[in-house]
Amino acid sequence: DTAVSQTPKYLVTQMGNDKSIKCEQNLGHDTMYWYKQDSKKFLKIMFSYNNKELIINETVPNRFSPKSPDKAHLNLHINSLELGDSAVYFCASSQDTAGGGGELFFGEGSRLTVL
Amino acid sequence: AQSVTQPDIHITVSEGASLELRCNYSYGATPYLFWYVQSPGQGLQLLLKYFSGDTLVQGIKGFEAEFKRSQSSFNLRKPSVHWSDAAEYFCAVGPPANTGFQKLVFGTGTRLLVSP
Repeated sequence: DTAVSQTPKYLVTQMGNDKSIKCEQNLGHDTMYWYKQDSKKFLKIMFSYNNKELIINETVPNRFSPKSPDKAHLNLHINSLELGDSAVYFCASSQDTAGGGGELFFGEGSRLTVL
Repeated sequence: AQSVTQPDIHITVSEGASLELRCNYSYGATPYLFWYVQSPGQGLQLLLKYFSGDTLVQGIKGFEAEFKRSQSSFNLRKPSVHWSDAAEYFCAVGPPANTGFQKLVFGTGTRLLVSP
């Protein structure tokens, strides 16, 4: 049973389209994240939610909108896709209570290709 | 601002040889330190972490890392590399618990290639 699962795993779309990536974790964690990994493998945090509340919102274009319907789910919607949005998007979760220690559990990633 | 530097983009090691991957960090206090591994097409998996105490920490898959405060380093080591260790390795730094929500900052990664 996958701890952090993302769908879809691959996404190929045209510029200007809108797309969504979904993430679910069954670890009972309080916090979920979206990270973007570019073509050079650089990982950068985009958003983080703690118990459905947005707590980290890095400098990300407002075409990107995260939504957390409950603490087990975090979705990412991207409007008006651009070539530069091509990347692998990773969902992750962590338990931020004492002893959680900041360990992130990652999904397998969603590779977005914008043509 | 906190930052992580992994000076080696690629490293090639012969199978059975020892390995050391370098990581230097910049942070105002002693941060929490992590090493993650990413196999091709996979997400990242935690290898080990340092919070406090013994500066030599043991992780999974036979890896260990040593925290050296004076050098702001947290290098990853393995005495004998296996072909299955070929992957991308990321060092990360984060604030200690209870100092705010945990936002990890990752280094740019080191790709490990293992030759026969």
